[in-house]
Amino acid sequence: GAGVSQSPSNKVTEKGKDVELRCDPISGHTALYWYRQSLGQGLEFLIYFQGNSAPDKSGLPSDRFSAERTGGSVSTLTIQRTQQEDSAVYLCASSLAQVLYEQYFGPGTRLTVT
Amino acid sequence: AQRVTQPEKLLSVFKGAPVELKCNYSYSGSPELFWYVQYSRQRLQLLLRHISRESIKGFTADLNKGETSFHLKKPFAQEEDSAMYYCALGSQGGSEKLVFGKGTKLTVNP
Repeated sequence: GAGVSQSPSNKVTEKGKDVELRCDPISGHTALYWYRQSLGQGLEFLIYFQGNSAPDKSGLPSDRFSAERTGGSVSTLTIQRTQQEDSAVYLCASSLAQVLYEQYFGPGTRLTVT
Repeated sequence: AQRVTQPEKLLSVFKGAPVELKCNYSYSGSPELFWYVQYSRQRLQLLLRHISRESIKGFTADLNKGETSFHLKKPFAQEEDSAMYYCALGSQGGSEKLVFGKGTKLTVNP
């Protein structure tokens, strides 16, 4: 079946602009995660959605970052007033509720802020 | 707080040599440990989990609670093992999120 998809694959934006990154999880996966992958920093957890529960936003680095998940499926990560330090690869992952830690990752969106 | 440490950013070995990628964790509860791998131009994917005690692609990892370690080992490295390896920690009954180490880039030379 289809895996996790993300769009766009690459995004170049000017400092101060807003960007939206999209994630389509695997059908039937109720858990959805966003991570940020920076050179030398590994994977940094950003936000976690599970079913109808309130999302765990504890990893969002600032209030410029927000995310939503509509209809329990597609998720959008929004970064407002982008800064150069936001440049990174943003990864989305999904999993079944019964095996939360067995996560399936998307290809990522490479964000470059100039 | 949960923490995962991978002390080596880079590891280089020759084909056929044994390889060990180190992972140490910090967690007071009952941990679940995983290794994820990202091959060049491919997605990050699960390699193995400690609870299944399986061997995947010749790799094994044993959870040592006394040393709080979960090192990944392979007796004879192959060139196709070259990749980025991430150790990850989940908590049973905890926050339901994985904490990843910063990764080790393994290069297997011919």
